[in-house]
Amino acid sequence: DSGVTQTPKHLITATGQRVTLRCSPRSGDLSVYWYQQSLDQGLQFLIQYYNGEERAKGNILERFSAQQFPDLHSELNLSSLELGDSALYFCASSVVVQGNEQFFGPGTRLTVL
Amino acid sequence: GDSVTQMEGPVTLSEEAFLTINCTYTATGYPSLFWYVQYPGEGLQLLLKATKADDKGSNKGFEATYRKETTSFHLEKGSVQVSDSAVYFCALMAAGGYQKVTFGIGTKLQVIP
Repeated sequence: DSGVTQTPKHLITATGQRVTLRCSPRSGDLSVYWYQQSLDQGLQFLIQYYNGEERAKGNILERFSAQQFPDLHSELNLSSLELGDSALYFCASSVVVQGNEQFFGPGTRLTVL
Repeated sequence: GDSVTQMEGPVTLSEEAFLTINCTYTATGYPSLFWYVQYPGEGLQLLLKATKADDKGSNKGFEATYRKETTSFHLEKGSVQVSDSAVYFCALMAAGGYQKVTFGIGTKLQVIP
């Protein structure tokens, strides 16, 4: 158990819909990262937050957005969903010290029908 | 930008065989290097890491040495077990900044009895 929790575990929805994925980082970790893992694209970095502020952006679509709240939990919002958005979405957290690893949650499996 | 190249799998080995998974990277400065492992149905977890040149990371019989001259961080294990079957990701963390991590594509290892 990494200490990072993600809800829900599975999500099935239809094209055009909007969903929210939630992540709670390990106690004490200020930094949260979101990744998308699909069969054809591998593990893609989406976005990073540090103590409530956006710090780095990767291959995140404009239809996707995220935020980190004062209690440090984070939410990833996916809107106007397409079939190709079906993937595993991972959240990770870390202490921001050079060389420190990220701790990954168990992921949310999103299926868009 | 930063990038990580690792061999595509799947790699299929018999139990007790020697394992090498190659990983090379492109980055400025002195990044930290990691190997993560993903078991079926789970999130990624850190296997080992090295934070400076010539460091050797090791864990559970796996080893990798940070080679600055060849920009490589190859993963090795002398005798694999069925329980090592998983997907292995090489990753680098850029020096400085807020810990942006770049992952390789992942190499699936299958160990057969």
